[in-house]
Amino acid sequence: DAKTTQPPSMDCAEGRAANLPCNHSTISGNEYVYWYRQIHSQGPQYIIHGLKNNETNEMASLIITEDRKSSTLILPHATLRDTAVYYCIYTNFGNEKLTFGTGTRLTIIP
Amino acid sequence: EAGVTQFPSHSVIEKGQTVTLRCDPISGHDNLYWYRRVMGKEIKFLLHFVKESKQDESGMPNNRFLAERTGGTYSTLKVQPAELEDSGVYFCASSLSLAKNIQYFGAGTRLSVL
Repeated sequence: DAKTTQPPSMDCAEGRAANLPCNHSTISGNEYVYWYRQIHSQGPQYIIHGLKNNETNEMASLIITEDRKSSTLILPHATLRDTAVYYCIYTNFGNEKLTFGTGTRLTIIP
Repeated sequence: EAGVTQFPSHSVIEKGQTVTLRCDPISGHDNLYWYRRVMGKEIKFLLHFVKESKQDESGMPNNRFLAERTGGTYSTLKVQPAELEDSGVYFCASSLSLAKNIQYFGAGTRLSVL
């Protein structure tokens, strides 16, 4: 199973940028980095994905290091609704299973 | 556009009984996945359908679990007979083929086996 390493928990003040790190040192060349989050009592929600270039969408930005062994998810202006468990996952681009780790529990503080 | 829907949202049964969970994927999504989170554990993959065919069922825990997707639309996951350790939240997800493996999840079914 593809394994990633994330801090178990983080706090961030409302309105500030939340930066969530992930280590994926065993990622192979054809595997993408995906970020999902799970808000309490809901199913996981896709946020963003990338291969080697930095990516941005309406939800977040993804910064992947040049050696691809780590990445950072950035929520530019965190709101209380961003409180959730964030999962960093890597897998092939094809339609394959997602391997969830323990994730990072992000708490946005008013 | 309707998302992935799961039914029931919560089921409470006694050990030894049978339970059937249903998942309706997003219309047009050929890929359908089942996952579950048992108490205190991580979300684990169970199996993957492409249309009506089982593409990967490597995560199915044992033969008490039977998943079907007749006609390639909705899917059912039957647990027979249920055991205490089957308690947890069962998630269904769907995705388009060739769609970058973006999976859309339902809200889950919470199964409690007493």
